[in-house]
Amino acid sequence: DVKVTQSSRYLVKRTGEKVFLECVQDMDHENMFWYRQDPGLGLRLIYFSYDVKMKEKGDIPEGYSVSREKKERFSLILESASTNQTSMYLCASSPMLALLSGANVLTFGAGSRLTVL
Amino acid sequence: GENVEQHPSTLSVQEGDSAVIKCTYSDSASNYFPWYKQELGKRPQLIIDIRSNVGEKKDQRIAVTLNKTAKHFSLHITETQPEDSAVYFCAAKGGGSNYKLTFGKGTLLTVNP
Repeated sequence: DVKVTQSSRYLVKRTGEKVFLECVQDMDHENMFWYRQDPGLGLRLIYFSYDVKMKEKGDIPEGYSVSREKKERFSLILESASTNQTSMYLCASSPMLALLSGANVLTFGAGSRLTVL
Repeated sequence: GENVEQHPSTLSVQEGDSAVIKCTYSDSASNYFPWYKQELGKRPQLIIDIRSNVGEKKDQRIAVTLNKTAKHFSLHITETQPEDSAVYFCAAKGGGSNYKLTFGKGTLLTVNP
C-alpha cells in the first residue's frame, strides 16, 4: 500500500518556537507538497518541491521554509511559530509521470495538527 | 494566479437522491480538474478527475462535467449513500504550472438515511 507518512499527528508548541514537520513517502515520487487546511478556506499550497534540493513557493509561503535533502523526505519548518499558524498541515506527493500526461495526482498524508499557544 | 470558487459550502440530501457540486475557475488556460473526497478525520483522496480536452467523465455513481467556455466544472453523485457523506474539494491546475493545484474551499455533503 502506497504511503505518505507524517511523523507527528498532533503537536502543541509555544509562540516563537521553531517547529519541524516531517513527511516521508515510499512511492519514489519526484514531487512533494505542503498544504495548509483551515475550515472554510480549503487547502492552500505553502511550498512544493519537484526534485531534491529544489523548492518553489506556493500561495502562502510567508513564515515557512522547507527542506528536501532526500527524494523521499520533505520537511516544513516554522522558524518562529505564531498563533496564526495554528492549523492542519497536509503533506502530499505525486509522480512526475502523471505530470507529463497533464495530471497531478496527489497522495496525501494523514495530516499534522499544530496548535501554537 | 488561478482562483477557484466552489458552491455550495454545505449540502444535505436524502439517501438515494442526487447531489451536485459546482466550481468555477479563472484561468482559461487551466487544463486539469480533479475532485478529492475527505471523510471525517481522514486524508483527502482523489475520486475523479478530468482533463480540458474532455467534456464529461463518469465512474459508476460519480461523474464530472466541464464547460471550458463558461469556465466551470461540476461533480455529480447519483443514488447517494450515507458513506458519501464527506467534504469534497474541487481543484484546478493552471496553464502556467505543471505542479500547482488550486483548491476550492470545500463542500460538506451530508447524506441522511
